[in-house]
Amino acid sequence: AQKVTQAQTEISVVEKEDVTLDCVYETRDTTYYLFWYKQPPSGELVFLIRRNSFDEQNEISGRYSWNFQKSTSSFNFTITASQVVDSAVYFCALSESPFGNEKLTFGTGTRLTIIP
Amino acid sequence: DTGVSQDPRHKITKRGQNVTFRCDPISEHNRLYWYRQTLGQGPEFLTYFQNEAQLEKSRLLSDRFSAERPKGSFSTLEIQRTEQGDSAMYLCASSLEIRGGETQYFGPGTRLLVL
Repeated sequence: AQKVTQAQTEISVVEKEDVTLDCVYETRDTTYYLFWYKQPPSGELVFLIRRNSFDEQNEISGRYSWNFQKSTSSFNFTITASQVVDSAVYFCALSESPFGNEKLTFGTGTRLTIIP
Repeated sequence: DTGVSQDPRHKITKRGQNVTFRCDPISEHNRLYWYRQTLGQGPEFLTYFQNEAQLEKSRLLSDRFSAERPKGSFSTLEIQRTEQGDSAMYLCASSLEIRGGETQYFGPGTRLLVL
């Protein structure tokens, strides 16, 4: 069965520091999708990125970057030059379907606090 | 572009009462999902629809829970005879079926408290 592990329950860093959130997943499928979502205090889950299992290229979007390593079943997320607005709970999720549809299996989340 | 909307945003009820939540997906999204999130946990899948067909139900969805999407647009989630363990955030998401990879977009959730 699929599983997502986010071992870091809470992380606090001082503003402008870089921070990496870890995500390790388990699946028997060869075709799957991985996602990151952000949940700010308002509670709404905000989509950040989708990555399919055949695309191991790292991706950068502004201050955000993602490192997908199939060999270690990891999909880590780095925030560079963190800002207070980055404070939120971040979830990694897995979809065991060829198109990223059907159910998502979420990790337990990492609560990130950026200290001004 | 209107996002996923959910109503009500908050619901307080007494144990044993029935409650119903509504979800309006993003226009033209043919897939609709329900998740439940308890404090300190990630969302857990409950069920999903493709158009009006309910394609999968989790074991979490006991017989007190029923979901419908009668015309393939909005969906309702009903909980009968609520229990204190039903207290949680109920999240709805929608996606558009495409071959290049789908993304589920979430609504703001309905927070249920059962007293």
